[in-house]
Amino acid sequence: GAVVSQHPSWVICKSGTSVKIECRSLDFQATTMFWYRQFPKQSLMLMATSNEGSKATYEQGVEKDKFLINHASLTLSTLTVTSAHPEDSSFYICSVKRQGAHNEQFFGPGTRLTVL
Amino acid sequence: AQKVTQAQTEISVVEKEDVTLDCVYETRDTTYYLFWYKQPPSGELVFLIRRNSFDEQNEISGRYSWNFQKSTSSFNFTITASQVVDSAVYFCALGPTTSGYSTLTFGKGTMLLVSP
Repeated sequence: GAVVSQHPSWVICKSGTSVKIECRSLDFQATTMFWYRQFPKQSLMLMATSNEGSKATYEQGVEKDKFLINHASLTLSTLTVTSAHPEDSSFYICSVKRQGAHNEQFFGPGTRLTVL
Repeated sequence: AQKVTQAQTEISVVEKEDVTLDCVYETRDTTYYLFWYKQPPSGELVFLIRRNSFDEQNEISGRYSWNFQKSTSSFNFTITASQVVDSAVYFCALGPTTSGYSTLTFGKGTMLLVSP
């Protein structure tokens, strides 16, 4: 069964509104989750690392005030795209890191955001 | 800096043909993991394989096989007797083996189109 869920799976919103995307770890507690963004026909680009109980670590060039990340529990991280614009339209994918020797990452099914 | 290069943007084959997807990587780490993921049109990443840099043995799983050549920094993926269901984008990725902060560096992906 699925290890990671994302909600919603797709969302369409108007420009200027905010959208929240949830990422849930279903099988284990995760202190670390990752958020990726994938533009059409492009690769996954890491946006930020979400750490439970502390501030997220953002990659260079990612606006922390625009992409708010909250990792409030060991099974839930949320990404909020604030004041969304059409250029934010993308496929957002989260992954959950399982602690252990192999340091595995499990990917969610992704959320397709379309900003009109 | 870490880098993964998938030089083939798109490959088209006819069903039952064998196809090899190339992956070349760069890293300064002495130990690392290499991955292959499949992304079908639905968008969800499907984990295919993880290989530790210590293990240079080739691996076969059904119609899939992987050739790891540390000397040339390559981790190529071969599908034997391709099927239409193999049509997807395939990503090669590189990741650290340390248990701390870790992330994956993805290649740009190779789109495989298998026609009947």
